[in-house]
Amino acid sequence: DIVMTQSPDSLAVSLGERATINCKSSQTVFHSSNSKNYLAWYQQKPGQPPKLLLYWASTRESGVPVRFSGSGSGTDFTLTISSLQAEDVAVYYCQQYYSSPLTFGQGTRLEIK
Amino acid sequence: QVQLVESGGGVVEPGTSLRLSCAASGFTFSTYAMHWVRQAPGKGLEWVAVISSVGTETYYADSEKGRFTISRDNSKNTLYLQMNSLRAEDTAIYYCARDPYPGYGDYFDYWGQGTLVTVSS
Repeated sequence: DIVMTQSPDSLAVSLGERATINCKSSQTVFHSSNSKNYLAWYQQKPGQPPKLLLYWASTRESGVPVRFSGSGSGTDFTLTISSLQAEDVAVYYCQQYYSSPLTFGQGTRLEIK
Repeated sequence: QVQLVESGGGVVEPGTSLRLSCAASGFTFSTYAMHWVRQAPGKGLEWVAVISSVGTETYYADSEKGRFTISRDNSKNTLYLQMNSLRAEDTAIYYCARDPYPGYGDYFDYWGQGTLVTVSS
């Protein structure tokens, strides 16, 4: 199984500042046949189901604000929120879909400083 | 708009069975693979199972293999999860989630609100 490890476990950032969450996979999730990274990011607010933010590591889902961006390749990935808004308080998860079983990171809790 | 509505959760004793349902609307259900993902109270997300768009292929997480069965009825736009021999560690919110492709093993573009399953004596 591919193990996904996020860092940090929790993060406090001031409004308007940049937030960065890291995700590392235990093996590559880059498929050379199509040059794609099989990595998605989700946001989960309290009492709500997760919401897809990004897929293929850096493709923003429709309707997701441009302040959310993804980068990285192979085994190391980053979710960046360029200017933190109050509504971004949530737990963020990365997920690999390179191989079964599909696996998630443990989550990163993002709060306002 | 895409809607996924889970039902069938509840409080059950260890060793018993439960069947969850997920009613889908707002999209052509028969052209998308579907998943179950669960979340234990206060914990992270855990993928449970996937079924292809036409129901011919299914895959499970190792911990559920042999106990859980995913199925679908495309004529009723409904996804199911039959859970047998339930254990305390199966206690979780169970979400159904849509795969953006007809195959299997991708990411999840829409999620239901979830149904809570509590296994306790």
